[in-house]
Amino acid sequence: SQTIHQWPATLVQPVGSPLSLECTVEGTSNPNLYWYRQAAGRGLQLLFYSVGIGQISSEVPQNLSASRPQDRQFILSSKKLLLSDSGFYLCAWKQGYSPLHFGNGTRLTVT
Amino acid sequence: ELKVEQNPLFLSMQEGKNYTIYCNYSTTSDRLYWYRQDPGKSLESLFVLLSNGAVKQEGRLMASLDTKARLSTLHITAAVHDLSATYFCAVDIVMGSNFGNEKLTFGTGTRLTIIP
Repeated sequence: SQTIHQWPATLVQPVGSPLSLECTVEGTSNPNLYWYRQAAGRGLQLLFYSVGIGQISSEVPQNLSASRPQDRQFILSSKKLLLSDSGFYLCAWKQGYSPLHFGNGTRLTVT
Repeated sequence: ELKVEQNPLFLSMQEGKNYTIYCNYSTTSDRLYWYRQDPGKSLESLFVLLSNGAVKQEGRLMASLDTKARLSTLHITAAVHDLSATYFCAVDIVMGSNFGNEKLTFGTGTRLTIIP
């Protein structure tokens, strides 16, 4: 069966520090991969999606970037965090008509 | 740009009552999904609706899709406290001619509170 791992679960970082969140999927190949962000009490905002290795589409211009160095690995990064980057970050995978399968999320607090 | 609207945004209801959450979307799509989110947790898939007239049921929840009206409903029957959560609908669109280029746009969510 397929599983998705996302880490860390929580993170507190100062403004201006770098960020790296990692997500890996097991049990499937060539999935579509997604990064979403959820602000407190709000809906989900799509940040990036990828249909293959090295293929990244950005939905919202910001100081975040994403990379897919391997088929089942998706990384979200920032060189310098802003206060507004705080939120709940969710990685997800999908294939065909399947629903999105989400990781457990990373709660990021920028101080 | 695809817009997905849910209503109500907040719903407080008594145990044992019935109610419906509505999800409207602005562009043609025949794939719609419902998710549940508990406080502080990730999202859990509830239903996948893949065609006009699709109806899915699981326990006290039933979801339906009307692609012509661009409307999906999530009906709650005889609510129990365990159903308290935030419910999201999401619409899937294919970008361009490449089937693999899909993305889901989520509704604003409906926060459901069941009162004993």
